[in-house]
Amino acid sequence: QQQVKQSPQSLIVQKGGISIINCAYENTAFDYFPWYQQFPGKGPALLIAIRPDVSEKKEGRFTISFNKSAKQFSLHIMDSQPGDSATYFCAASIRGYGGATNKLIFGTGTLLAVQP
Amino acid sequence: SAVISQKPSRDICQRGTSLTIQCQVDSQVTMMFWYRQQPGQSLTLIATANQGSEATYESGFVIDKFPISRPNLTFSTLTVSNMSPEDSSIYLCTSEAVDGYTFGSGTRLTVV
Repeated sequence: QQQVKQSPQSLIVQKGGISIINCAYENTAFDYFPWYQQFPGKGPALLIAIRPDVSEKKEGRFTISFNKSAKQFSLHIMDSQPGDSATYFCAASIRGYGGATNKLIFGTGTLLAVQP
Repeated sequence: SAVISQKPSRDICQRGTSLTIQCQVDSQVTMMFWYRQQPGQSLTLIATANQGSEATYESGFVIDKFPISRPNLTFSTLTVSNMSPEDSSIYLCTSEAVDGYTFGSGTRLTVV
């Protein structure tokens, strides 16, 4: 129940295209869903995150779509660029709104390659 | 967001030895988390460190192998004990900030 399933494992997209990465979870207590971007030799960097009270969140070229009933969420990268080539991880946590701190469960990761 | 600093950034160690990794946060945080990322893999939680109490370990990780200290609200250490080549990984710490969980660059450990 603590798992977060991520697909695809790898993705090749042409420059200017849309990259879509999907995640699914089982634990309905999860209330915080971030996406991380990781370049080789670096730690994961928080890209964008969503709470289950909204169905979509957009920041620049990055959009999270959230489907609470299906227990799924996805990352869309619009106008993908070669500089977006990295590994992307979805994650989930029971975070609460009162400062509670809980562990972050990660998906298996997606290696994105954007071809020029 | 919180800034995480880890030391060392990388090390090559002999099997059977131990390495202590330090994690410093630039603000006071309730909990710190230690993760392991094996080559080409995702991040797996090792343990949660709460100041003033014993760390809570995830299934598959034990205190004797990965002792953790949390002496104050901005600092924690993880020791990888009696190392074997299978311990070669990136070790990362994180804590929660108002805008989410922040990671440092991690410690890249190679055991030979």
